[in-house]
Parts: sequence; structure tokens; C-alpha cells
Amino acid sequence: EVQFVQSGAEVKKPGESLKISCKGSGYHFANYWIGWVRQVPGKGLEWMGVMHPGDSRTTYSPSFQGQVTMSADKSTNTAFLQWNSLRASDSATYYCARRPVGAPSLDYWGQGTPVIVSS
Amino acid sequence: DIVVTQSPLSLPVTPGEAASISCRSSQSLLDSDGYNYLDWYLQKPGQSPQLLVYMASIRAAGVPDRFSGSGSGTDFTLKISRVEAEDVGVYYCMQALQTPTFGQGTKVEIK
Repeated sequence: EVQFVQSGAEVKKPGESLKISCKGSGYHFANYWIGWVRQVPGKGLEWMGVMHPGDSRTTYSPSFQGQVTMSADKSTNTAFLQWNSLRASDSATYYCARRPVGAPSLDYWGQGTPVIVSS
Repeated sequence: DIVVTQSPLSLPVTPGEAASISCRSSQSLLDSDGYNYLDWYLQKPGQSPQLLVYMASIRAAGVPDRFSGSGSGTDFTLKISRVEAEDVGVYYCMQALQTPTFGQGTKVEIK
């Protein structure tokens, strides 16, 4: 069974750094793109970008380019999303999800990581 | 950017009856490979989104056949043939022809 387990909720201050994780299981992790989606509380979904754990290729949405960094560790089947300097506007729930072969969809999702950035 | 617009934004439904949601794109989502790159997702209350339909009309694995997607170009529809109580939540369309963008969401609730 394909599953993603994301790291727990985070409370940070503006300007701090953060790295959240997404551990996949039940499939060959290195062969599938991993996407990240943001959901601001009470709002809709925003596609942030995708990265390929096999060769570290990344494609970012222009809205998030330069704001976050996507990476992965094939040895532990884990994808990461990181910020160097958080802002209050980064407060949201972040989902990781798998992109299936042959379609730019997102077929299996993690449970989400809530991030609160507040002084 | 391609903008996708859903309607209605709120949809009260009666169990057992049919329901449909529309998604319109600012540009055609029909690619040169013949596929329309439009997905439908459902986010049930308190849960992560789940894929229902991809490439406009292909049901994802495990999705009940009461859900169906149709349309081409700029106009797409998700239909639920007989709504069940477990279908409540927010439905999103997402275009994936270019940098993916989601619609605003349609909240489906039981009357």
C-alpha cells in the first residue's frame, strides 16, 4: 500500500528556518515525482512544485520559486520541503503527494504538516 | 497562468440525487497527445485531498463509479450520479497542462 507520513506540526518565528519531511512507503520511491501543495487555513489548494528523488530534478511554481527548496533522500525514502527564512504568510498546511507515471496528477497524499509562523 | 473557475461554489445536495460541478479553463487543456489535462480532487472534512478523476475522464483507482468526469478544451464537468452522505467535502479541479493551478473549490453539503 502506498503511504506517506509527514512530520508533525511546527510553530516557528518569522525569520527562522524550517525543514519538513514526507516519508514514502509501499512503492519504489526513487521512480516517482513528489509534489508539494500548500493550503492556507480556510482557503484552497496551491501547487508549489515537484521534485524527482531519483535525480533531484525540480520544477517550481513561479509563485514559490526562490521561496522554498525541495529535496529528497533516496536512502530513507524521504522528501523534504525547506525554508531559510519564514514569514507569517507561510503559515499553512503543507501536503506532499506522489505524481503517478504518465500523468501530472497527484494520486497519493500525505496527511499534511501544519506550519504556524508567528512572533 | 491558466485560470480555472469552478461553479457553483456551494452545492447543497439530497442523498440519492445527482449532482454536477463545472470547471472552466481560461485556455484549452487539450494537449497535442489528445489528452485533456484536468483533474478532480475531493477534500473531505479534516482530511487530505484525494484524486477522483484525472485526464478529464479517467477515474482513479478505487473511486466509486458514481463519479464521472467529462468535457474537453475549456469546459469540464464532474458528475455524481447518486450522492451519498460520504461525498460531502470540497471538490477541486486542477489543470495540469501548464504549471498546475486549482479552482477555488466547490463545497458540497447535504441539504
